[in-house]
Amino acid sequence: AQSVTQPDIHITVSEGASLELRCNYSYGATPYLFWYVQSPGQGLQLLLKYFSGDTLVQGIKGFEAEFKRSQSSFNLRKPSVHWSDAAEYFCAVGAVGGADGLTFGKGTHLIIQP
Amino acid sequence: NAGVTQTPKFQVLKTGQSMTLQCAQDMNHNSMYWYRQDPGMGLRLIYYSASEGTTDKGEVPNGYNVSRLNKREFSLRLESAAPSQTSVYFCASSEQSPGQGAHEQYFGPGTRLTVT
Repeated sequence: AQSVTQPDIHITVSEGASLELRCNYSYGATPYLFWYVQSPGQGLQLLLKYFSGDTLVQGIKGFEAEFKRSQSSFNLRKPSVHWSDAAEYFCAVGAVGGADGLTFGKGTHLIIQP
Repeated sequence: NAGVTQTPKFQVLKTGQSMTLQCAQDMNHNSMYWYRQDPGMGLRLIYYSASEGTTDKGEVPNGYNVSRLNKREFSLRLESAAPSQTSVYFCASSEQSPGQGAHEQYFGPGTRLTVT
């Protein structure tokens, strides 16, 4: 079965600084990878996804993520964060034929300092 | 196009009471899911339905039942609520079909349930 680890429970970044959120997955084949964002009191919104092809994927709100097979990682990045990026971020992995859908990490809470 | 809708948004129950959380999607998706979200635990799958007429247990099914009423609707029932079921419940849907690669899930706004 697949699994996801987000090593950082909380991250604090100054507004305007760059951001990297870590995600490591465990899966025996090529995974399907996703990043979601959850603003306070809201549901989850898809930021970006990786299925195959170019290992650097672009998403909404200026986010990007890079798939590194050798490191089993799919880290999320943003060059310059805005106060509105403060939220909970979830990495998820899916399997081929996985009827039970995606496996989510426990999330990283992003705090933006003025 | 409303996406995934959930009712109610908030609910307070006493221990032992029952209730049904409703979920509907208008995207003609095959698969639907119920998750619970607790602090520090991420999202945990309660039940899922890979197609109309089928349901299966997820990671934490105890104390819950589900019904896939039709392709649009997937309800979650708590027969006898317990304080341990205090949580935020999310419904999601996906184009996922058995044997295919994984598809993204679309989430509803959630139901915040408190059991006293």
